[in-house]
Amino acid sequence: KQEVTQIPAALSVPEGENLVLNCSFTDSAIYNLQWFRQDPGKGLTSLLLIQSSQREQTSGRLNASLDKSSGRSTLYIAASQPGDSATYLCAVLDSGTASKLTFGTGTRLQVTL
Amino acid sequence: NAGVTQTPKFQVLKTGQSMTLQCAQDMNHNSMYWYRQDPGMGLRLIYYSASEGTTDKGEVPNGYNVSRLNKREFSLRLESAAPSQTSVYFCASSYEIVGTDTQYFGPGTRLTVL
Repeated sequence: KQEVTQIPAALSVPEGENLVLNCSFTDSAIYNLQWFRQDPGKGLTSLLLIQSSQREQTSGRLNASLDKSSGRSTLYIAASQPGDSATYLCAVLDSGTASKLTFGTGTRLQVTL
Repeated sequence: NAGVTQTPKFQVLKTGQSMTLQCAQDMNHNSMYWYRQDPGMGLRLIYYSASEGTTDKGEVPNGYNVSRLNKREFSLRLESAAPSQTSVYFCASSYEIVGTDTQYFGPGTRLTVL
């Protein structure tokens, strides 16, 4: 059974810092890996999707990498801003017959002024 | 273009009551999903519908039923609510189950069962 772990569970950084969020998964037979953002009381918004054949994806100040063989992904946020404060969720789509997203429990990020 | 909409936003039920959570998407997506989110457990898949006319169980289907009413709508029914079903419920949709597109999520329904 796929398990997804995110470390740390919470993180507080001053504005302007670069930061890295970590995601690890136990079964490397995945179709893709996605990073989502969730604001308090809201739904999830997709940030980046990396196919299993890709190594990284970039969108603005966000860069996500994927090392499928080691079961790891990182989300790099450059020059953090208070508006980046949210919970960041990692999810993997298994490549088995019953493909479904398996989510981590998230990293709650606070960017302070 | 509203994306994925869910009703109601909040609901309080007593143990044993029934209710249906409604979900609709206007993106012409084939696949739809129901998740629940509980503190410390991440989102877990309850049921999904790969295409109109099909539904399949996810990780935690017990106590729930679903209906894919048409391509746009996917409802989740609690026949006899239990306190363990207190959670935030999210509906999502995607063009297909496995592909290059992501899943798009609704705003959620916060359900409390007393």
